[in-house]
Amino acid sequence: SAVISQKPSRDICQRGTSLTIQCQVDSQVTMMFWYRQQPGQSLTLIATANQGSEATYESGFVIDKFPISRPNLTFSTLTVSNMSPEDSSIYLCSVDGLWVAGGTFYNEQFFGPGTRLTVL
Amino acid sequence: GENVEQHPSTLSVQEGDSAVIKCTYSDSASNYFPWYKQELGKRPQLIIDIRSNVGEKKDQRIAVTLNKTAKHFSLHITETQPEDSAVYFCASSSNTGKLIFGQGTTLQVKP
Repeated sequence: SAVISQKPSRDICQRGTSLTIQCQVDSQVTMMFWYRQQPGQSLTLIATANQGSEATYESGFVIDKFPISRPNLTFSTLTVSNMSPEDSSIYLCSVDGLWVAGGTFYNEQFFGPGTRLTVL
Repeated sequence: GENVEQHPSTLSVQEGDSAVIKCTYSDSASNYFPWYKQELGKRPQLIIDIRSNVGEKKDQRIAVTLNKTAKHFSLHITETQPEDSAVYFCASSSNTGKLIFGQGTTLQVKP
């Protein structure tokens, strides 16, 4: 399929600061999403990253806390703003509608490796 | 709102036995049902999926069944091996592409 990378892979941050997580895909994708996975828990969708327009947020998540950018078909960022210890979690990007070399199209959702965030 | 219930939360089987994980969804518009396997410290990996126009799909030792009327779908793993030990997540999605995940099942396969 494709290579999905995230930066940073992990970070330890002080409360009140912000962290921007990058997600890069080596092929064009139709859709990109951001999820949160708290320790020992399931995955919760934060938002859909829309290319060239504002992200669509799920209930309980707001733009001021989790601003998202998606400037093109292969890249997105998620910022965790004004962090508190409750934001400690793994943040994962995912992609759907994936075009790879040779014209193959994957209408399935694949995940990046995740960013492990610890807020002190 | 949309919801996916997954059972059991933990499952322990002997190597070679079968394992079954069940999920129930609430959104009638759901038409895509993937299953993910997540090993400790790793990303979720898609292992099998099913769309609403079929009732069953099989890939070697794993199979998924879907009952749209009852809004149930299940993962079946036969001839389990120790390397099948992981957390398994079911999910559902409609045409939006957004995945709603179940709570996860920790599968332990004892040698």
